Amino acid sequence: DAGVIQSPRHEVTEMGQEVTLRCKPISGHDYLFWYRQTMMRGLELLIYFNNNVPIDDSGMPEDRFSAKMPNASFSTLKIQPSEPRDSAVYFCASSSRQVVPYNEQFFGPGTRLTVL
Amino acid sequence: AQSVAQPEDQVNVAEGNPLTVKCTYSVSGNPYLFWYVQYPNRGLQFLLKYITGDNLVKGSYGFEAEFNKSQTSFHLKKPSALVSDSALYFCAVRDGGAGSYQLTFGKGTKLSVIP
Repeated sequence: DAGVIQSPRHEVTEMGQEVTLRCKPISGHDYLFWYRQTMMRGLELLIYFNNNVPIDDSGMPEDRFSAKMPNASFSTLKIQPSEPRDSAVYFCASSSRQVVPYNEQFFGPGTRLTVL
Repeated sequence: AQSVAQPEDQVNVAEGNPLTVKCTYSVSGNPYLFWYVQYPNRGLQFLLKYITGDNLVKGSYGFEAEFNKSQTSFHLKKPSALVSDSALYFCAVRDGGAGSYQLTFGKGTKLSVIP
């Protein structure tokens, strides 16, 4: 398996622009997590899905952030409009209670977002 | 609620010496505990976990961790550090008795192994 795939790996955009980050989880995994990592705040959980349904989005910072999972093999995290303080590394992770006992998570390589 | 504390932002150790990266946790039910490692410009990689059973857990790359229920700790250890072990280490916890599969991560500890 190729592991969790994220695209793009790097994104540079200007303030006010829409940004879409993409994630393909490991095949067969039914949990998908979006995290944000910054020097100041460390690793923060933004939202997670189970069987394509959002379960907990309490970590989403504000309405400018939205996430979708239209099917088991694809998820997006969208920021509209983007702001400089959104600059961070965004990680996607997947897991499965059935395939992976005790639900350890497998992380993608991350998307480094820079908002100018 | 669940939480993790990694009291050291950075740990420096000489190559060949033993290393310890500290972690304490708080959780309502049974703790499921994990260690992850992050190399520069990479995602987090799973190292080891404690679910139940033997308090000493062995993982990848010669790492081990000791679960101590009375001290609510799960310190990561290695008998002999390598320069290649230099990375950012994260401790994580989830409540094994709860329905949520959310992991709570510590802020991370940067390990530097000095040649």
